[in-house]
Amino acid sequence: DTGVSQNPRHKITKRGQNVTFRCDPISEHNRLYWYRQTLGQGPEFLTYFQNEAQLEKSRLLSDRFSAERPKGSFSTLEIQRTEQGDSAMYLCASSSQGGRGGETQYFGPGTRLLVL
Amino acid sequence: GQQVMQIPQYQHVQEGEDFTTYCNSSTTLSNIQWYKQRPGGHPVFLIQLVKSGEVKKQKRLTFQFGEAKKNSSLHITATQTTDVGTYFCAGYGGATNKLIFGTGTLLAVQP
Repeated sequence: DTGVSQNPRHKITKRGQNVTFRCDPISEHNRLYWYRQTLGQGPEFLTYFQNEAQLEKSRLLSDRFSAERPKGSFSTLEIQRTEQGDSAMYLCASSSQGGRGGETQYFGPGTRLLVL
Repeated sequence: GQQVMQIPQYQHVQEGEDFTTYCNSSTTLSNIQWYKQRPGGHPVFLIQLVKSGEVKKQKRLTFQFGEAKKNSSLHITATQTTDVGTYFCAGYGGATNKLIFGTGTLLAVQP
């Protein structure tokens, strides 16, 4: 399968715990994006990487959130001290073009997080 | 900040009826993209429009980009049950590389 993959697909955790999600983009794609989607809403941009550099972060990304892409391939998104409001689907997407606009983003299946 | 709104939020049609969703941005967009998300699934890219006034067709789907590049529409002719899902528009605007998604239109098709 050469699409975007995400692990785990589902995560249930207790409030206050830390969680980490992984995204493996399409191999030749240099851009990787993280989004958060809550029920009935469109995906909201969190952050993106071009190769290993994190180039933009949304104000939605509080200091409890951190994302890395150490070798410019897979990426991890960590949420520390989870809160119930963090419950959502976390989507990863990748694309291959470097210019603004004109790039198709391919989404992974997402990780659904439930914070109890 | 930039906002992208879609109407309607929800549309229920009988199979065979037509469907249209409208997308409006608060700012001019460099391009507009459309995605479809099936229930329980993830967004899947459908098409991208770049030029002012551009119209593209994919079988029963017709996509249009407004002259001012601030609005777009998706029209489905003779809906089928396989068309069920949420349709999102998304666009880049301003000096940013982030894709802003619209609020989405959920389409239900009754056989």
